[in-house]
Amino acid sequence: DQQVKQNSPSLSVQEGRISILNCDYTNSMFDYFLWYKKYPAEGPTFLISISSIKDKNEDGRFTVFLNKSAKHLSLHIVPSQPGDSAVYFCAASDLRNNDMRFGAGTRLTVKP
Amino acid sequence: DSGVTQTPKHLITATGQRVTLRCSPRSGDLSVYWYQQSLDQGLQFLIQYYNGEERAKGNILERFSAQQFPDLHSELNLSSLELGDSALYFCASSVRVGANVLTFGAGSRLTVL
Repeated sequence: DQQVKQNSPSLSVQEGRISILNCDYTNSMFDYFLWYKKYPAEGPTFLISISSIKDKNEDGRFTVFLNKSAKHLSLHIVPSQPGDSAVYFCAASDLRNNDMRFGAGTRLTVKP
Repeated sequence: DSGVTQTPKHLITATGQRVTLRCSPRSGDLSVYWYQQSLDQGLQFLIQYYNGEERAKGNILERFSAQQFPDLHSELNLSSLELGDSALYFCASSVRVGANVLTFGAGSRLTVL
């Protein structure tokens, strides 16, 4: 079941520019959203999260925006750096239940 | 090092065989999750345990089973293996039942020939 969708398998941006990664979800019961970053040969690592009571959360160069009415969230990375090149997974959770659903991931390449 | 340990890192086996993947959660974490990542696919949730009890089930095949032991480590058993079972299997752990932030292991890569 594709409850969380990342429709762009890949994204390429120039160093210093903004990277925008998008994610859509279908389950209105989701109340907590996360972004994970994955390098090759490693497991995903937590990057940033947002609760459904907020519409924006910022942590340094990373900002997550949530549009509940559109069931859409996005991750902005400004400025993008070559070390940001990785696969980014969007995840959504219903905190009353016990699972977390992930999107298919978007491979970000930041070119020097 | 995330603190979540998965073994083996790589495993090659034949169709019809059975394998066991092992996961030790991060110290203090009571909840263990298993995910499957097939080629170009996202992370598919398989199953979750909390303090030894099954708490949530996702898209886990009947040929697969898991358990969490009293010392909180978990094992994922895959039997009657098929070519399509080739994937990366990730274990993740968290402190509590409701999934908040998960800490992932490096994964076990299973290749079925």
